[in-house]
Amino acid sequence: EPEVTQTPSHQVTQMGQEVILRCVPISNHLYFYWYRQILGQKVEFLVSFYNNEISEKSEIFDDQFSVERPDGSNFTLKIRSTKLEDSAMYFCASSASWPDNEQFFGPGTRLTVL
Amino acid sequence: GQQLNQSPQSMFIQEGEDVSMNCTSSSIFNTWLWYKQEPGEGPVLLIALYKAGELTSNGRLTAQFGITRKDSFLNISASIPSDVGIYFCAGPFSGTYKYIFGTGTRLKVLA
Repeated sequence: EPEVTQTPSHQVTQMGQEVILRCVPISNHLYFYWYRQILGQKVEFLVSFYNNEISEKSEIFDDQFSVERPDGSNFTLKIRSTKLEDSAMYFCASSASWPDNEQFFGPGTRLTVL
Repeated sequence: GQQLNQSPQSMFIQEGEDVSMNCTSSSIFNTWLWYKQEPGEGPVLLIALYKAGELTSNGRLTAQFGITRKDSFLNISASIPSDVGIYFCAGPFSGTYKYIFGTGTRLKVLA
């Protein structure tokens, strides 16, 4: 069964450093998403991406964040200068269509900012 | 702001019991989805609802799309230990590509 994959599973970085989180969405899906989940809290929407551009972003997704689909398979989230409060689980998801979409989530990357 | 409130926040039940939880919003949703999340993992889709009044089952799980389009319900019958996890409702906020998750219901099943 096709699935969303994410790498790395755990990333530790120093405050102020740049990180890139990687995702491989399900191959025939067209819509891609990033979410954040701070430990013990709900899943928060960051950004949706379609046709090589951002469709929607939340207030969390400020200028420190960017997304890219550098090739036909990868979807990345970059945080330019990490802050302590960026420590969280980051989930990538993809869906075949919108709005009757069913989003499928990856296993997440745990980001720890020291 | 846009928020999906879930209740109860947490529940402890005995194995074999039925469980009910709900999700409410002050805004209309056109799609309701229910996810389950286990520790250290990503959310897994359980049931998707697309029409007001719709009732859909997936094994022991049954979910309903409220007729006001502002709420949804999830029932689990004859709970088992592996039902443990956090259950989230979610949906695309009307007119946007923004997806909102509920506050979650944490379920613990006592054997």
